[in-house]
Amino acid sequence: DAGVTQSPTHLIKTRGQQVTLRCSPKSGHDTVSWYQQALGQGPQFIFQYYEEEERQRGNFPDRFSGHQFPNYSSELNVNALLLGDSALYLCASRSGGSTDTQYFGPGTRLTVL
Amino acid sequence: AQSVAQPEDQVNVAEGNPLTVKCTYSVSGNPYLFWYVQYPNRGLQFLLKYITGDNLVKGSYGFEAEFNKSQTSFHLKKPSALVSDSALYFCAVRDINYGGSQGNLIFGKGTKLSVKP
Repeated sequence: DAGVTQSPTHLIKTRGQQVTLRCSPKSGHDTVSWYQQALGQGPQFIFQYYEEEERQRGNFPDRFSGHQFPNYSSELNVNALLLGDSALYLCASRSGGSTDTQYFGPGTRLTVL
Repeated sequence: AQSVAQPEDQVNVAEGNPLTVKCTYSVSGNPYLFWYVQYPNRGLQFLLKYITGDNLVKGSYGFEAEFNKSQTSFHLKKPSALVSDSALYFCAVRDINYGGSQGNLIFGKGTKLSVKP
């Protein structure tokens, strides 16, 4: 049983560019959340998708957007990249209708130069 | 607002000794509490959670945590530490602003555990 998978593993971009990160949830999970983990910090919630809609959003600007596909996979898009967007981006999945645990993927390390 | 605090940036333990990683929380209502571990260049791995019931929760890899409502704490413990336990540990609480089980997680800053042979 595959867990949460993310691609790519690493990414280097320059300021002002746009980036797309991808996530496939754990089998049987239909809810996907994205988190940003800056160096030396705990993960910060970006947003959550369920039934192809954004259901909850953290304190992140509109430059951060996402999408969920019918197969429950998800994308995180960041426009107009800033140096401060450099971080580990984590995807987490769980079943939508319970108190179940969120399971995390290995993350995508984004470096903005 | 909901929050968790991990008062120690780093905990050092000798192999074979018991370990404790501290976490305190601030929530309105009943808390849903979690512990995750992160190895270098890896994502977060779930260790255990407290939703309701017994105050002592047992989890993966021999870890356990004690929920203490009066002290608003949820400390992670292990009777005998291994060198392989060395990692970054995060305490988290479910954000109930969005309603019960649906909320995202609010994480502490993390505690680096170092177990020496």
